[in-house]
Amino acid sequence: DQQVKQNSPSLSVQEGRISILNCDYTNSMFDYFLWYKKYPAEGPTFLISISSIKDKNEDGRFTVFLNKSAKHLSLHIVPSQPGDSAVYFCAATPAQKLVFGQGTRLTINP
Amino acid sequence: GAGVSQTPSNKVTEKGKYVELRCDPISGHTALYWYRQSLGQGPEFLIYFQGTGAADDSGLPNDRFFAVRPEGSVSTLKIQRTERGDSAVYLCASSRVGGGHNEQFFGPGTRLTVL
Repeated sequence: DQQVKQNSPSLSVQEGRISILNCDYTNSMFDYFLWYKKYPAEGPTFLISISSIKDKNEDGRFTVFLNKSAKHLSLHIVPSQPGDSAVYFCAATPAQKLVFGQGTRLTINP
Repeated sequence: GAGVSQTPSNKVTEKGKYVELRCDPISGHTALYWYRQSLGQGPEFLIYFQGTGAADDSGLPNDRFFAVRPEGSVSTLKIQRTERGDSAVYLCASSRVGGGHNEQFFGPGTRLTVL
């Protein structure tokens, strides 16, 4: 069963606009959530994280929002830049290992 | 400093053969993880080492898969009697200490193709 779901396989956004990537989870034991970014032929790189005791974490152009009651998190990128084009994975963890979603391919159009 | 490295970058083998995939973690990182990414999916956890010991191997799909980390640094993932369904990108990650709250740094992966 897929405990972390990213229901949008792809997203296209105009440069300068806001990109919003969504993620849902089912396991109430998850207490820490992360977003990773992946370019082709490279491993995923950490972007931003949030603890379950918070509902928002911000780092520059990137903000992650967590809605525990809805078991939903989102990543906001504003303003979007061409270099943001990549596959984004959300991940969750109760302890050691990471449980990943399927990924969303973000394309920023000039 | 050097990141996580994995060799080979690509491996093509025939069904039934044995393969070894190597991971060199970031120096000083005590925790090491193996994940597998199939086409169109996110990485899927296989095994986690804390030092030399496998702290969690619950993600290994069956007994054809085995991993070692004898000196607490380099790790080798071993797959016996490979099957076409084993074709995937195998990712290795390391972190300074164990625990999912600690940033995991990923290598570029080994793309395994079983013909």
